Amino acid sequence: SAVISQKPSRDICQRGTSLTIQCQVDSQVTMMFWYRQQPGQSLTLIATANQGSEATYESGFVIDKFPISRPNLTFSTLTVSNMSPEDSSIYLCSVEGVGGPVAKNIQYFGAGTRLSVL
Amino acid sequence: RKEVEQDPGPFNVPEGATVAFNCTYSNSASQSFFWYRQDCRKEPKLLMSVYSSGNEDGRFTAQLNRASQYISLLIRDSKLSDSATYLCVVLGSGNTGKLIFGQGTTLQVKP
Repeated sequence: SAVISQKPSRDICQRGTSLTIQCQVDSQVTMMFWYRQQPGQSLTLIATANQGSEATYESGFVIDKFPISRPNLTFSTLTVSNMSPEDSSIYLCSVEGVGGPVAKNIQYFGAGTRLSVL
Repeated sequence: RKEVEQDPGPFNVPEGATVAFNCTYSNSASQSFFWYRQDCRKEPKLLMSVYSSGNEDGRFTAQLNRASQYISLLIRDSKLSDSATYLCVVLGSGNTGKLIFGQGTTLQVKP
């Protein structure tokens, strides 16, 4: 498994501002993922971040709203831009397992960032 | 139709009970399947992978029926500490690494 540090763990933000969430992994991984979990809902993938290329966004998510950086194989950031109360959610990063093809299909999650937008 | 469907519950069972959760998935090309556990206000954690032949880990048994596109999780001798939300997860097709989550089934084990 991988050890993932995600910060901040929580934040309360004003409408119209932006928040950048950081995700640090203790090993080099090719793929990192960013998810959103809205209150009472399951996880929805926002985008996949590969080092050295543009992030791949899922339907309903756009780069202008959720810009992602992936400067190296152990770190990524997700920014939630121009926030509104509808962005209040938990944001989680995850990484694939390290090892053979079976391990790579398993994902490990950071503790999440609990965001409240006023 | 959702790609991964679960009964959200909640399932309220007494300690020691056996409880089963079911999940269906829509993409017949899916190859990998998992059960994750999510405690309240925590991140999801892998409970077990689900293999075609079925697999068991202590009190937990997972089954896969590819023909019916159906996955199950059986918990025997429920403990209070089993109270959590159980997420059925399917790896998307292609080499994207994308996980598709069911909405989760909530289990509450009572003394």
